[in-house]
Amino acid sequence: HTVVTQEPSFSVSPGGTVTLTCGLTSGSVSTTYYPSWYQQTPDQPPRTLIYSTNIRASGVPDRFSGSIVGDKAALTITGAQADDESDYYCLLYMGSGIWVFGGGTKLTVL
Amino acid sequence: EVQLVESGGGLVKPGGSLRLSCAASGFTFNTYSMNWVRQAPGKGLEWVSSISSSSSYIQYGDSVKGRFTISRDNDKNSMYLQMNYLRVEDTAVYHCARVGLGTRFDHWGQGILVTVSA
Repeated sequence: HTVVTQEPSFSVSPGGTVTLTCGLTSGSVSTTYYPSWYQQTPDQPPRTLIYSTNIRASGVPDRFSGSIVGDKAALTITGAQADDESDYYCLLYMGSGIWVFGGGTKLTVL
Repeated sequence: EVQLVESGGGLVKPGGSLRLSCAASGFTFNTYSMNWVRQAPGKGLEWVSSISSSSSYIQYGDSVKGRFTISRDNDKNSMYLQMNYLRVEDTAVYHCARVGLGTRFDHWGQGILVTVSA
């Protein structure tokens, strides 16, 4: 049973840089999982930030970037702003039409 | 403009059934795989089920396998989720989502609330 792990919470100062990660309880995350990242604010559907590891979705500021760091997918926010305070989810494609979300990271900007 | 609109939610007793619908517009529905994703109150996102463009490939998450059935009608630009043997833990907002480039979920509906309670 595959579990996708994310930090439950993270804090960053305005203007600072933060890296959120997305791992597996068993094995490494690679590009073959097509990791994607979503931002969600209360009572709204998720918004795609990054897909296929490091491709920014249309309209997403370039302060958001994706990568593989070690054995995890990573979402880096450079120059954090107050309105980046949200929940962030990673999504991994396991193949054969099966996806798994991470548990989400609640990001606080203060 | 791509639009996905869910309907069919509501209050149901444990053990009951409900059928959700997702009406799609603004794109060629029969060329895209679709998914259902749910979010329990105060919890994270959970992938529920996927269906390929022609309904040839269908998958379910472990928590709903054997109880939920996904389907689509490409002539009506609609996707469905038949939910049987509902449990209290199925209480959630259910979103439909389109699979876009890079296997990402590129468009989402606003979601519909399903409440399972006695």
